[in-house]
Amino acid sequence: GQSLEQPSEVTAVEGAIVQINCTYQTSGFYGLSWYQQHDGGAPTFLSYNALDGLEETGRFSSFLSRSDSYGYLLLQELQMKDSASYFCAVNNQGGKLIFGQGTELSVKP
Amino acid sequence: GAVVSQHPSWVICKSGTSVKIECRSLDFQATTMFWYRQFPKQSLMLMATSNEGSKATYEQGVEKDKFLINHASLTLSTLTVTSAHPEDSSFYICSASIAVKETQYFGPGTRLLVL
Repeated sequence: GQSLEQPSEVTAVEGAIVQINCTYQTSGFYGLSWYQQHDGGAPTFLSYNALDGLEETGRFSSFLSRSDSYGYLLLQELQMKDSASYFCAVNNQGGKLIFGQGTELSVKP
Repeated sequence: GAVVSQHPSWVICKSGTSVKIECRSLDFQATTMFWYRQFPKQSLMLMATSNEGSKATYEQGVEKDKFLINHASLTLSTLTVTSAHPEDSSFYICSASIAVKETQYFGPGTRLLVL
């Protein structure tokens, strides 16, 4: 079977740094993606890791360790607008995305 | 670039009717489109993978006769929910990619409410 585990919710304050972890069990793994979804909206692509290591895109970074079946999304200099749900997703064979259950991030003033 | 649109954004229908949702890639040609369903406070569940000019591949547990998918061109895929029932009420989201294993770009979603 295939499964992804991520925390259901995280709370942090403005300006802080938060890390959202994701562990996965899957076959045919090609990479790990991260998506942001605001209430009522569609998912927005944040980052993709196919190889081990850190990918940085502005305030957001994503890390992957294939040997540990583990990745994380790091959000720096948190802003109120970062309050949203964050999904890790495994890129599988056939280009499919298998989503985790999502982490609801609440940023407090 | 990489914009995907969906139409309609909202639909309310009576039980037993059929509803068609369109997904378009506006500025690129999408060889593959995907259809997802998301219930409130839950994750996105892949329903089917659609390749231009061929039959869709449905995920386990998704009724192909109930959720008809057509991918007639490189920029358009449609999902038809046939004989809709209240339990079909959900947020339906499509995504498109330029090629298999490439980044998926999501449409804004369609909220379906079946009364």
